[in-house]
Amino acid sequence: DQQVKQNSPSLSVQEGRISILNCDYTNSMFDYFLWYKKYPAEGPTFLISISSIKDKNEDGRFTVFLNKSAKHLSLHIVPSQPGDSAVYFCAARNSGAGSYQLTFGKGTKLSVIP
Amino acid sequence: KAGVTQTPRYLIKTRGQQVTLSCSPISGHRSVSWYQQTPGQGLQFLFEYFSETQRNKGNFPGRFSGRQFSNSRSEMNVSTLELGDSALYLCASSTQGATYNEQFFGPGTRLTVL
Repeated sequence: DQQVKQNSPSLSVQEGRISILNCDYTNSMFDYFLWYKKYPAEGPTFLISISSIKDKNEDGRFTVFLNKSAKHLSLHIVPSQPGDSAVYFCAARNSGAGSYQLTFGKGTKLSVIP
Repeated sequence: KAGVTQTPRYLIKTRGQQVTLSCSPISGHRSVSWYQQTPGQGLQFLFEYFSETQRNKGNFPGRFSGRQFSNSRSEMNVSTLELGDSALYLCASSTQGATYNEQFFGPGTRLTVL
């Protein structure tokens, strides 16, 4: 049973436009959500996070939106740049579980076309 | 501050052999988690160690084991290797303290089982 789902395996966007990556979750105990970016042959790099007590968090070109009632979050990248081309993973955590375990989606490969 | 380091970066083994992977967390980080990344399953949680104790374990067979040393360095062992164990094994470290800590990942060890 996949608790974190990224239904789009890939996404192509023109440089300068907005990239929107989506993520759905099923476990209502998740209360902290993170986005990671991964380049080939490297480990995932933390990008941005959001607590379940918020519905939006912004950091430069990156904004994450959380809709708790729909169990849905999205990552917006504006404007998209060719260097943003990577695989993006959505991850979730249950902070009450006494562990730092993250549950990941399968990733979305973003290609930003110059 | 040095990042998370993993050794070796690449390994080739044959079925039935065993393998040990090593992870050195960021200085001061006491939590170390291990993840397996495969093309079909994404990143899956293996286990987490904190202060030399296994705090949480994912849904993997007993052939997968680990340990953590007093300096927070961690090792992961896989015995009786199977073809399906071919994957990228990622280690991540976190700090103790604030509730919502992101995990910092190493570059991974690419294991190929022939």
